[in-house]
Amino acid sequence: DTEVTQTPKHLVMGMTNKKSLKCEQHMGHRAMYWYKQKAKKPPELMFVYSYEKLSINESVPSRFSPECPNSSLLNLHLHALQPEDSALYLCASSQVTSGTYEQYFGPGTRLTVT
Amino acid sequence: SQQGEEDPQALSIQEGENATMNCSYKTSINNLQWYRQNSGRGLVHLILIRSNEREKHSGRLRVTLDTSKKSSSLLITASRAADTASYFCATHRTGNQFYFGTGTSLTVIP
Repeated sequence: DTEVTQTPKHLVMGMTNKKSLKCEQHMGHRAMYWYKQKAKKPPELMFVYSYEKLSINESVPSRFSPECPNSSLLNLHLHALQPEDSALYLCASSQVTSGTYEQYFGPGTRLTVT
Repeated sequence: SQQGEEDPQALSIQEGENATMNCSYKTSINNLQWYRQNSGRGLVHLILIRSNEREKHSGRLRVTLDTSKKSSSLLITASRAADTASYFCATHRTGNQFYFGTGTSLTVIP
């Protein structure tokens, strides 16, 4: 199974809402990532978890809160978002120590903040 | 910004022709990877080249890496309509840090 799943596929939320994005993989990967991608732009790294511990936070605003409950799951909790946070949010996973670090991406969650 | 730059931004070719896209980056790397993204979907890994390698092949793909110039190129030979997508280079540094280039939008006309 080389699939990374993400739910929901689409999410519309108001600026006062709290919502969560979910990501799951069963490839035994111990690194998981959140990226944000605006239209016609490259993915921008937000967070990296390595062995379920947050290893990289690319100066992301605190209204985005990541969580890695176990080695297969990754969540992104959203609170008090702004319209400019509307984007495609991509989850990815990879090995940590294989030396190749090929990333496997999920299909993304299309987020619209109204 | 940690981003790399890719050129061209957009490329349109006829089916059967070759497509070449280039990537330049700013920092030292462990490896460089190329990914494909169909419109609005997740990215798919295509090929990886390590910092001590100069050229690599995979099917119709050929990647080169010049670490002295901090640049890489991706060649797709005998293109097909199904190759229409956006292509991104991604540089891998230590600690699972990946930074994507600006991307090339490839259109292959049947």
